[in-house]
Parts: sequence; structure tokens; C-alpha cells
Amino acid sequence: GAGVSQTPSNKVTEKGKYVELRCDPISGHTALYWYRQSLGQGPEFLIYFQGTGAADDSGLPNDRFFAVRPEGSVSTLKIQRTERGDSAVYLCASSAADRGGYTFGSGTRLTVV
Amino acid sequence: AQSVSQHNHHVILSEAASLELGCNYSYGGTVNLFWYVQYPGQHLQLLLKYFSGDPLVKGIKGFEAEFIKSKFSFNLRKPSVQWSDTAEYFCAVNALTGGFKTIFGAGTRLFVKA
Repeated sequence: GAGVSQTPSNKVTEKGKYVELRCDPISGHTALYWYRQSLGQGPEFLIYFQGTGAADDSGLPNDRFFAVRPEGSVSTLKIQRTERGDSAVYLCASSAADRGGYTFGSGTRLTVV
Repeated sequence: AQSVSQHNHHVILSEAASLELGCNYSYGGTVNLFWYVQYPGQHLQLLLKYFSGDPLVKGIKGFEAEFIKSKFSFNLRKPSVQWSDTAEYFCAVNALTGGFKTIFGAGTRLFVKA
């Protein structure tokens, strides 16, 4: 596609539930990143994929968070047993090369009630 | 650990005023540097980037940034702002030996009065 697509754009879930957030990167971009942005803060790194593998998952806050990219294109961020503190905008970005400038999606606003 | 500090959280300017937004980072090695912009209701967009070479980098919409290695700084400038520059600006750093993560500052909200 022309840009990075994220679905859903908004997600409201109850505390304790499981959620999946989807990212469809720009076609041909091998690098894919997930970030989380809370109100009044800059994006916070979660995980980086190069192809199908997670090359750097050092930003995942705990084992409730997991991400996959099985075919090297679409990625899914999975959050188990959601907590109110998980509420944030989850951003996906892709780039054609490691460490280059990113193209961001519009984000998924997750609200845990 | 790497960190990025943006000096001003909020800046208000009148049209035609000059802009300088400060950014400092804490990492002693080789870095790639970026400025991103988020216009109201839109997603984050790359404004400009520095990888190597001339430390004065020119980006879109008349913006430029200067990398001063000795000061660990990468300040964003524009000689004359327009109302349409109202947005939030984020400085970001990627340390070439610090993994693949890019670290973002907290952002500076710029409001330009018409």
C-alpha cells in the first residue's frame, strides 16, 4: 500500500482481556517497528523486526506483550491480560533499511477500562 | 542508556518569527539523528535526518537542523514560521551500537499565531 496501515484505529477493552493490534507496512519495507506513545510523551520503543524475526525486543515491558510477523510483512502486537496502564496509542512504523527514517502509521488508540 | 532531551515543551510564536527548537542527546558514540513532525490530526512524519557528512541538514518545508557533535545537540531551525507549522516536533536518536531502537524526545508543541 501507499502507507503504513494500522487497524483498528481505536480499541476499547476491559481490564484483563486479550487484544491484537495489526500493522500492514509499506510493501517491500523489511524493517518494522512497534512503538507506544502515552499522553504528553514521545514514542517509546517496543520491538523491531527485520524480516520475520524480532531483531530487538528489548522494549517490550513484560511478558504480557508479544509480537509476530510470520511472513515478513503484516505484524500483530498481542497484549494479554490488559491493564489500565496499557492504555496508549500504539504506533507501527516501517523503513526500507535498518536505522533509516521511519514511515509511521496513524496508530491504534487502546483504552483499557 | 540513551536519552533525548527537548528543552521546551511548548512554544508560541507569531507568524514570520524565527524558530529554534533545542535537542540534546546522551550518547558518546556514532549516532543517526532525526526530527519528526506531527500536524494536528495526522500521523508522525519525517522532517529531516542526519547520518553523516555536512552537519547542517536541510529538510522539507524550509526546516534545517545542525548537528554539533561537541555539544551532543541537533537543534531544529526555521527562519520564518507560518501558521501551518503549528504541530508537535519530536527529536530522535539512533545509536549505531545501541541496538536498533530509535529513542524519541518528549516533543515540543509549537503554536504559531496568525
